[in-house]
Amino acid sequence: QVQLQESGPGLLKPSETLSLTCFVSGGSINNYYWSWIRQPPGKGLEWIGSIYYTGITNYNPSLKGRVTISLDTSKNQFSLKLNSVTVADTAVFYCARHSSVAAFDYWGQGTLVSVSS
Amino acid sequence: DIVMTQSPDSLSVSLGERATINCKSSQSLLYSSSNKNYLAWYQQKPGQPPKLLIYWASTRESGVPDRFSGSGSGTDFTLTISSLQAEDVAVYYCQQYYSPLLFTFGPGTKVDIK
Repeated sequence: QVQLQESGPGLLKPSETLSLTCFVSGGSINNYYWSWIRQPPGKGLEWIGSIYYTGITNYNPSLKGRVTISLDTSKNQFSLKLNSVTVADTAVFYCARHSSVAAFDYWGQGTLVSVSS
Repeated sequence: DIVMTQSPDSLSVSLGERATINCKSSQSLLYSSSNKNYLAWYQQKPGQPPKLLIYWASTRESGVPDRFSGSGSGTDFTLTISSLQAEDVAVYYCQQYYSPLLFTFGPGTKVDIK
């Protein structure tokens, strides 16, 4: 059974860089896409970006170049960096898996990242 | 961008009654070469991640009870819970994966017990 687990700091100050890692267990990173999705408290879901196991990335244009997603296949994990965070970036961040042109079938439990001065 | 809308925003349904949620996309999600609609439905309970219920607009994910069904094609889709159970109280989201460069979700529909 594939499991995903997010980790990273839960509290940041404005202008800092958010860094999260998602560890994948019970299956290989190969042949799948790996995404980050966020959900502000009490609000809906926003796709942040995806990385294919080959390293090809796609990002949500709304994040205006602040996002980088990377992969470490040797550790079976992938990471998210979001630069210059503001209070508006406060959200639960989920990592998730999908196949080529397919729905998100496995999700992590999510990690709350709060941005506050 | 493909914009997803849902209706209603919330609904209250008696136990054992039918719940119907609608989802509309700003452009067709039907891919002609595969004849598949690139539309998924998720259930999210408080404090939990979303759970995939339906993909290809009407295919139930393994383990999902058969009281959940999806229908529709093109730009208009429906999620139906045929007989609402207490454990179905949740927020339901539709999502398009037609555009893999920008996945988008609907705003969600909250379902509770009347």
